[in-house]
Amino acid sequence: GQQVMQIPQYQHVQEGEDFTTYCNSSTTLSNIQWYKQRPGGHPVFLIQLVKSGEVKKQKRLTFQFGEAKKNSSLHITATQTTDVGTYFCIYNQGGKLIFGQGTELSVKP
Amino acid sequence: DAGVTQSPTHLIKTRGQQVTLRCSPKSGHDTVSWYQQALGQGPQFIFQYYEEEERQRGNFPDRFSGHQFPNYSSELNVNALLLGDSALYLCASSKPRTGGDSEQYFGPGTRLTVT
Repeated sequence: GQQVMQIPQYQHVQEGEDFTTYCNSSTTLSNIQWYKQRPGGHPVFLIQLVKSGEVKKQKRLTFQFGEAKKNSSLHITATQTTDVGTYFCIYNQGGKLIFGQGTELSVKP
Repeated sequence: DAGVTQSPTHLIKTRGQQVTLRCSPKSGHDTVSWYQQALGQGPQFIFQYYEEEERQRGNFPDRFSGHQFPNYSSELNVNALLLGDSALYLCASSKPRTGGDSEQYFGPGTRLTVT
């Protein structure tokens, strides 16, 4: 089945620093979705990417889908303590979300 | 507009027992999916219900079963509980299928502890 690998597994940053997490697949994906899960919380949908080379921005967050539709990235500019949590890049296989390990972000004030 | 709700919030069971978890989808949603999230791991897909039928299933044994009711709410049943079934069980709902892969809205989850 489809496998989506995400790196790094953990990232510790100082508040104000930038953060990037990367997602890779060995096969072409029809879509990539990004979710965020705060500590003790549940996953919350952030965005969906479907087009080759697509770039979407949400305030300080920039999401990118690779030209070959095999990789994706999430970049956060000037992290804040509210950014703490685990970010998952996910392949939505006809309604079945295939989660990887995610990247756990901690932000030191 | 209520989001996805789940009950109970927490549950403690003994090995060998059976458990039923409940989920009410977000208003306007008709598809319900269940996920198991072990500590420190990403959620794992258990199954999905649409039109009261199981439409997709992940790699979980038959001890895991479910049901969807006419009002779109759903139950997850786990029989013969094992210690390894201890996890956060998440329910997610999504909008009627349009041919695309819509976003899913997750509930707060049920924390199941098996002793």
